[in-house]
Amino acid sequence: AQSVAQPEDQVNVAEGNPLTVKCTYSVSGNPYLFWYVQYPNRGLQFLLKYITGDNLVKGSYGFEAEFNKSQTSFHLKKPSALVSDSALYFCAVRDPDQAGTALIFGKGTTLSVSS
Amino acid sequence: DGGITQSPKYLFRKEGQNVTLSCEQNLNHDAMYWYRQDPGQGLRLIYYSQIVNDFQKGDIAEGYSVSREKKESFPLTVTSAQKNPTAFYLCASRGTARTYEQYFGPGTRLTVT
Repeated sequence: AQSVAQPEDQVNVAEGNPLTVKCTYSVSGNPYLFWYVQYPNRGLQFLLKYITGDNLVKGSYGFEAEFNKSQTSFHLKKPSALVSDSALYFCAVRDPDQAGTALIFGKGTTLSVSS
Repeated sequence: DGGITQSPKYLFRKEGQNVTLSCEQNLNHDAMYWYRQDPGQGLRLIYYSQIVNDFQKGDIAEGYSVSREKKESFPLTVTSAQKNPTAFYLCASRGTARTYEQYFGPGTRLTVT
């Protein structure tokens, strides 16, 4: 069965430092991978996706993610964190070999950026 | 939150009452989804619809019902059979078959007492 794991419930970084939010996945075929961000009491906002091609994907607000097939990972990164990046981040996967179009979401990682 | 609207933002109901959550989109998207979000549990799929007049159960469909009579609308009814209805409910939509990401509405927080 397809699944996605976010091993850290919370990540704390200082403003200006690089940040990484980890995600690992399990699917039977080639994965479609996504990152979303959620601010309190709001819906999810799409950040970036990996479907095929270059393993380094660039997205919104300066975020990027690296697809690593051998480690089945899709970690979210940003070179220099901002206080405004503090939010809840979700990794999601879709197995293109499965019927249906829904995404499977991780449990989320809370990012806290201190000034 | 794009062109997806959910109303109301906050909803309070008494136990035993059915309640319907609204989801409307003006993005001309084919597929629509309902998720439930509980603290520390991520998002869980309730129902989804890939086309008008057709929908499928997700992982936690028990106690919920939906309809898809119009492309723009995908209302969710939380019935009295849902044992723990208090949660944050998110509606999403997706465009063509080659658009894989979903776009989310602002959510409805339902509290049942």
